[in-house]
Amino acid sequence: AQTVTQSQPEMSVQEAETVTLSCTYDTSESDYYLFWYKQPPSRQMILVIRQEAYKQQNATENRFSVNFQKAAKSFSLKISDSQLGDAAMYFCAYIVPRNAGNMLTFGGGTRLMVKP
Amino acid sequence: GAVVSQHPSRVICKSGTSVKIECRSLDFQATTMFWYRQFPKQSLMLMATSNEGSKATYEQGVEKDKFLINHASLTLSTLTVTSAHPEDSSFYICSALLPGGRRYNEQFFGPGTRLTVL
Repeated sequence: AQTVTQSQPEMSVQEAETVTLSCTYDTSESDYYLFWYKQPPSRQMILVIRQEAYKQQNATENRFSVNFQKAAKSFSLKISDSQLGDAAMYFCAYIVPRNAGNMLTFGGGTRLMVKP
Repeated sequence: GAVVSQHPSRVICKSGTSVKIECRSLDFQATTMFWYRQFPKQSLMLMATSNEGSKATYEQGVEKDKFLINHASLTLSTLTVTSAHPEDSSFYICSALLPGGRRYNEQFFGPGTRLTVL
């Protein structure tokens, strides 16, 4: 079974500083995708960043970047220059494209607080 | 990006009644939609996969007779919670799969529906 683990239930960061959220996953597949989703207080799920397992280069989206370590099955999210609007629940997720339905498996989430 | 709506955003009902939640893909056709349940301070739990024109596929432990799913068109899936009880109170989220036959198709999420059963 595929599992996604986020070991940090809560994290706190000072505005303008950098924070890293951890995620590990367990799979026997070699072809998969990894995601970070943000869920702000509005509860709307927002895709932050996506990483394809066959790509060695770490994905980057503006202030958001990942550290993808395939051998270690680790996929951490780094948020640079943190802003108050970054405060939210962050979920790491995983998908195996060949599986029917493209079902997402989510981690337990990390609540990020941003201090002004 | 693609937009998915849910209606209603909030619903309060009495125990024993049924509640219908709609999930619509507004600017694309979705043959596959997903229904999730989220308890407070917890992650999303997949309840079922809704396929247009066929029966939904339910995850283990989800009662198909209690959570009726109908995907009657390419833009609409409905979740009906039958004979609702207080333990069914939760946040229900749908997502729609962007079609296209690509190797990977992105899911777009609705804003969620908060159900409170009194």
